[in-house]
Amino acid sequence: AAGVIQSPRHLIKEKRETATLKCYPIPRHDTVYWYQQGPGQDPQFLISFYEKMQSDKGSIPDRFSAQQFSDYHSELNMSSLELGDSALYFCASSLNGLGQNEKLFFGSGTQLSVL
Amino acid sequence: AQTVTQSQPEMSVQEAETVTLSCTYDTSENNYYLFWYKQPPSRQMILVIRQEAYKQQNATENRFSVNFQKAAKSFSLKISDSQLGDTAMYFCAFMTANGGSQGNLIFGKGTKLSVKP
Repeated sequence: AAGVIQSPRHLIKEKRETATLKCYPIPRHDTVYWYQQGPGQDPQFLISFYEKMQSDKGSIPDRFSAQQFSDYHSELNMSSLELGDSALYFCASSLNGLGQNEKLFFGSGTQLSVL
Repeated sequence: AQTVTQSQPEMSVQEAETVTLSCTYDTSENNYYLFWYKQPPSRQMILVIRQEAYKQQNATENRFSVNFQKAAKSFSLKISDSQLGDTAMYFCAFMTANGGSQGNLIFGKGTKLSVKP
């Protein structure tokens, strides 16, 4: 079965550079979520989108922005990168928010290293 | 605010034995979802099991089952017949079912499980 696809798998950037992470949800899924997991930490919710509209916002820095496109894929744009942004960034998707019996599935993540 | 607590940072179990991972949570919500996710060394986040708070019946997925005690706000995971491939970090997670905050999974700090041959 198709899963959540994230690209790239690994990304190396320098301080103050920008980065764009992409997420392709499971087919038919209309809801996308972004999480950040620092080394040895639990994942922290950043932002979510439902039907191309932002549905919830967590601890996302102002330097980050995200959107969901008409084909439901999502991009996380990160500017003025800092060393502390080095983390594993997960995208997850679900159908219709999280309705009855629906489940939230994660991609393999993008490992961002800021040097 | 909701919180999720996993009081066991690390656990180990012998292959083929049973192990139980603890999770407690705090919320004033009545409708919510609870999850256990497994994160092996590959760091892929894999859904193990999901429980809706309105369901009294404990969820089961093959060798994995939960003991959901809503009044006690407890949600433990039991792994039966442990296999080497079960070695991973296990995260307990909470999500409110009320509109506006869906997708905001709140994770515990995780329990690192090692299955020994």
